[in-house]
Amino acid sequence: DQQVKQNSPSLSVQEGRISILNCDYTNSMFDYFLWYKKYPAEGPTFLISISSIKDKNEDGRFTVFLNKSAKHLSLHIVPSQPGDSAVYFCAAIDERGSQGNLIFGKGTKLSVKP
Amino acid sequence: NAGVTQTPKFRILKIGQSMTLQCTQDMNHNYMYWYRQDPGMGLKLIYYSVGAGITDKGEVPNGYNVSRSTTEDFPLRLELAAPSQTSVYFCASGRDSYNEQFFGPGTRLTVL
Repeated sequence: DQQVKQNSPSLSVQEGRISILNCDYTNSMFDYFLWYKKYPAEGPTFLISISSIKDKNEDGRFTVFLNKSAKHLSLHIVPSQPGDSAVYFCAAIDERGSQGNLIFGKGTKLSVKP
Repeated sequence: NAGVTQTPKFRILKIGQSMTLQCTQDMNHNYMYWYRQDPGMGLKLIYYSVGAGITDKGEVPNGYNVSRSTTEDFPLRLELAAPSQTSVYFCASGRDSYNEQFFGPGTRLTVL
């Protein structure tokens, strides 16, 4: 059973508009969440993270929101740029028992159209 | 500073063959990980290590072995390759268990 779910396999957005990528999780013991970006034929690269004690973290054009009661997080990209076109993975850590093992969602492929 | 490097980039194996996927990091990270990514799926943890001489199983360890004799290297061994091991393999390292992991470029393995 998937503990981290990204229910949208793909998302298409116009350049300059907002991209919103969603992620749901089922394990209430997850206490740290990360977003990774992956280009074809490359490894994932870290984008932004959020601790469960926060509900928002911002880094430039990227903002992650966490709603613990709904077990939901989202990544906002504003404004979207063509170079943001990639697969975005949501990942979670259960720090207490996992030695930092990341539990990944299946990813959402973002296409930003010029 | 090369980060995490993996070799080879591509490999085709016949059923029953064995091979070692190499992973090296130059960031002096204690934590290292091996993941596999099947088409349309997220990454799944195969094995991990929290320091030289210490390894443990992840979610999908069957058919694989690892060793960690140095901080820098974390090779993954496939002893009897099976078609189910066709996948892209990523090695990663991290400073500790609660920070981001840095990934290598991956090894695309096909078992025929």
